[in-house]
Amino acid sequence: KAGVTQTPRYLIKTRGQQVTLSCSPISGHRSVSWYQQTPGQGLQFLFEYFSETQRNKGNFPGRFSGRQFSNSRSEMNVSTLELGDSALYLCASSFVPGQGAVQETQYFGPGTRLLVL
Amino acid sequence: DAKTTQPNSMESNEEEPVHLPCNHSTISGTDYIHWYRQLPSQGPEYVIHGLTSNVNNRMASLAIAEDRKSSTLILHRATLRDAAVYYCILRDVRDDKIIFGKGTRLHILP
Repeated sequence: KAGVTQTPRYLIKTRGQQVTLSCSPISGHRSVSWYQQTPGQGLQFLFEYFSETQRNKGNFPGRFSGRQFSNSRSEMNVSTLELGDSALYLCASSFVPGQGAVQETQYFGPGTRLLVL
Repeated sequence: DAKTTQPNSMESNEEEPVHLPCNHSTISGTDYIHWYRQLPSQGPEYVIHGLTSNVNNRMASLAIAEDRKSSTLILHRATLRDAAVYYCILRDVRDDKIIFGKGTRLHILP
């Protein structure tokens, strides 16, 4: 079974631009979570989507948004990029037996490394 | 905020057992103890999890204190490929997100 894939793997943007990152979960997984990893703050939870609905959200400004499509693929968008948005963005997918059920182990992708200049 | 405390770094010799400690004194009855690790230049990967009883799988063992306020991840025979950052995480059965702490950076000496 193919793992979680993220595209692109590397990205360079300038301040003020916006960026869209993509995540394809493991086949059959309907939950997708996004995390930001920086040397200073470590791994921080951004948000989680299940069945095209945002189910959980971390403490990030509204510039960070996401969505999930009917095939469970997910995208996250960061608008008006700031230097501090430079980070590794990780996507994780998991199987959820049903609505309201607790998800199982999360499987992470390799991440997209974003550099904002 | 992370609810676990781990040493910043540890060293171990190759082919010897490694015991990675984790303190979680504020654990609640609905918290599972999860361990993930992150190898260099990769995303985190699941290692093991448990609730009350000790757990074993092909990667590691998890020893949970009787009062559940601490746990230990045991790598029975460390290899160079086990060098990674190990995260001990409490995950509420009612919650979906994972709150990562700083983790323990494990160095394996050949």
